[in-house]
Amino acid sequence: QKEVEQDPGPLSVPEGAIVSLNCTYSNSAFQYFMWYRQYSRKGPELLMYTYSSGNKEDGRFTAQVDKSSKYISLFIRDSQPSDSATYLCAIPSGAGSYQLTFGKGTKLSVIP
Amino acid sequence: DTEVTQTPKHLVMGMTNKKSLKCEQHMGHRAMYWYKQKAKKPPELMFVYSYEKLSINESVPSRFSPECPNSSLLNLHLHALQPEDSALYLCASSRGDQETQYFGPGTRLLVL
Repeated sequence: QKEVEQDPGPLSVPEGAIVSLNCTYSNSAFQYFMWYRQYSRKGPELLMYTYSSGNKEDGRFTAQVDKSSKYISLFIRDSQPSDSATYLCAIPSGAGSYQLTFGKGTKLSVIP
Repeated sequence: DTEVTQTPKHLVMGMTNKKSLKCEQHMGHRAMYWYKQKAKKPPELMFVYSYEKLSINESVPSRFSPECPNSSLLNLHLHALQPEDSALYLCASSRGDQETQYFGPGTRLLVL
C-alpha cells in the first residue's frame, strides 16, 4: 500500500459547484498535511496546511483532516474556471525529515 | 513574501552542453530543495540542502551537480544530460524539517 493515495481524476464540474478532493494515508505518525495547487507548466503553489484534525477554512477553501480514518480532504466552494488545475496533497514524512510524500494529484476542470 | 525565484524559465540544451539552473529565496529559510517533475506526475525529490550542507541526495546521477553558495542561493549544474532528463525542475525552500515547502515557478528543460 502506498503511503499516500489520491485519485488522479480527471474531475470535471460546472462552475459554482462544490468540489471535494481527497487523499488517504497509511502512516498514523503523519502529523502535518498540505494542499498544493499546480497550474499547467507552473510550480506548485501552497494552498493550505493544517496540523490537526478538524476543519480549516480560507475563503472558498476548506481543508479537513480525519486522523482516525487517515483521510484528508480539500473542499472548494463556488468553484470558478480559474480553479482548474491539478491539486496535490503532500505530507511530511516525519520528525527530522525533509521529505514530502505527495499524492499523485487530481486534475480538476471547472466548466463555465 | 513567500517567493522563490528560478532562472531560466526555459532551457534547451544538447547532450554535450553544460548549463546551470539557479534558485533564490529571501525568506530566511534554512532548507532548500531540487525536485524533478515529469508530466502528469508529482514532484520527485532530488537533493536537499540544510544549513548550506547537502543532507539528502536521492541517488541522482552525477550528471546533476547541486551547489549551495549561501543560504539564499541554490544552483543545479547540468552536464552530459540525456533526453529522458527533459522535465520541469523545481526549487523549493522551507524553514526547516517537516515544514511547509514553498516552490518556485520551475525551469522547463528540454534535452535534445
